[in-house]
Amino acid sequence: QVQLVQSGVEVKKPGASVKVSCKASGYTFTRYGISWVRQAPGQGLEWMGWISVSNGNTKYAQKFQGRVTLTTDKSATTAFLELRNLRSDDTALYYCARDKVYEPDAFDIWGQGTMVTVSS
Amino acid sequence: EVVMTQSPATLSVSPGERATLSCRASQTITNKLAWYQQKPGQAPRLLIFGASIRAAGIPARFSGSGSGTEFTLTISSLQSEDFAFYYCQQYNNWPPLTFGGGTKVDLK
Repeated sequence: QVQLVQSGVEVKKPGASVKVSCKASGYTFTRYGISWVRQAPGQGLEWMGWISVSNGNTKYAQKFQGRVTLTTDKSATTAFLELRNLRSDDTALYYCARDKVYEPDAFDIWGQGTMVTVSS
Repeated sequence: EVVMTQSPATLSVSPGERATLSCRASQTITNKLAWYQQKPGQAPRLLIFGASIRAAGIPARFSGSGSGTEFTLTISSLQSEDFAFYYCQQYNNWPPLTFGGGTKVDLK
């Protein structure tokens, strides 16, 4: 079946970087994009950015510009989110979600989420 | 940035009753609006896209309406499994895509 499976829990110190993976299966990876959305504990949803798997185009929320990089490995049908210079307020559940290939849209398939905790 | 405002924050409903959730955009987003349901400990699930199109496998009791800046999600007859958080999301003006703050539907 169509699914996105994310990597496991991460615990990082302030100033460190984290790289979260999102393994896609059950569909043609290159015909879609991937968006990343995070959710701080007890809070709502926040979009971070989008990548077109077919051509690597990216769009980022200005809030994260310069700290975040989205990439994909087509051979491994895996998308990656790297967030640098982590702060305590980056503590959140990070989701990948299947998106359109040419521009961000509604997200029809979601990963299970990866908890990232930033603490000294 | 398009600000999405959902109301009410909490909606208390009895099973079998109708639930009406609202979402307002700070500027026109045509019909590029999606609704998601999220239960505790789970990822969001797409219910509606294009303001009124049900996603695959979504029961007919869920319906969406609206265009421009005012949108509504209606659950015609609430079932026990529908108690959850609901979020609207616009994808007309980006970056960034933006979500509303959510509406919690709980048991009256």
